[in-house]
Amino acid sequence: EAGVVQSPRYKIIEKKQPVAFWCNPISGHNTLYWYLQNLGQGPELLIRYENEEAVDDSQLPKDRFSAERLKGVDSTLKIQPAELGDSAVYLCASSTGGSGSFTGELFFGEGSRLTVL
Amino acid sequence: GQQVMQIPQYQHVQEGEDFTTYCNSSTTLSNIQWYKQRPGGHPVFLIQLVKSGEVKKQKRLTFQFGEAKKNSSLHITATQTTDVGTYFCAGVLMDTGRRALTFGSGTRLQVQP
Repeated sequence: EAGVVQSPRYKIIEKKQPVAFWCNPISGHNTLYWYLQNLGQGPELLIRYENEEAVDDSQLPKDRFSAERLKGVDSTLKIQPAELGDSAVYLCASSTGGSGSFTGELFFGEGSRLTVL
Repeated sequence: GQQVMQIPQYQHVQEGEDFTTYCNSSTTLSNIQWYKQRPGGHPVFLIQLVKSGEVKKQKRLTFQFGEAKKNSSLHITATQTTDVGTYFCAGVLMDTGRRALTFGSGTRLQVQP
């Protein structure tokens, strides 16, 4: 069974340019997450989807970041315009959603490494 | 800022030595999960603990969840070079109302052969 697929793996852009990342979760996983991971740090949640609904986007910088999950499957994370401080790895993860206050096991993709010059 | 802290940040051991990383939360956790991230890789799920005082073992790895559900530990007995990587704890903070994992800053383990 295929895991979480992300693209591109690497992206180098100049500041003020737009960039988009794509994620295809594991089939049947209704919960999808976008995390940001800075070098030497743990992943930080940007947004969580339950099916096509963004149920937790409180940590998403909405002035420049946007995300969508059309049809509750694939998801796209966009940054426009990118800033130097956005250089990081953007991780997508999916899960079956768990129950109650539990999230269930997260399956991560390989990540998209962004470098903003 | 991150509300889940881990210590130490980094540990270098000789192969065969034991290793322990500690995870502490400012608030009660509904559950704790542990992930391992190899250099250049992505986090991979190791285990989930749910009950207060719970202890689980996976071969040479022992995971513990504190009685107050605010701390956890991962102990590796007789480390091997394959244990190299960064170990993250992650928990759901009960006072936030958010059903999402908050990750610790991780402990990077280096094993000298």
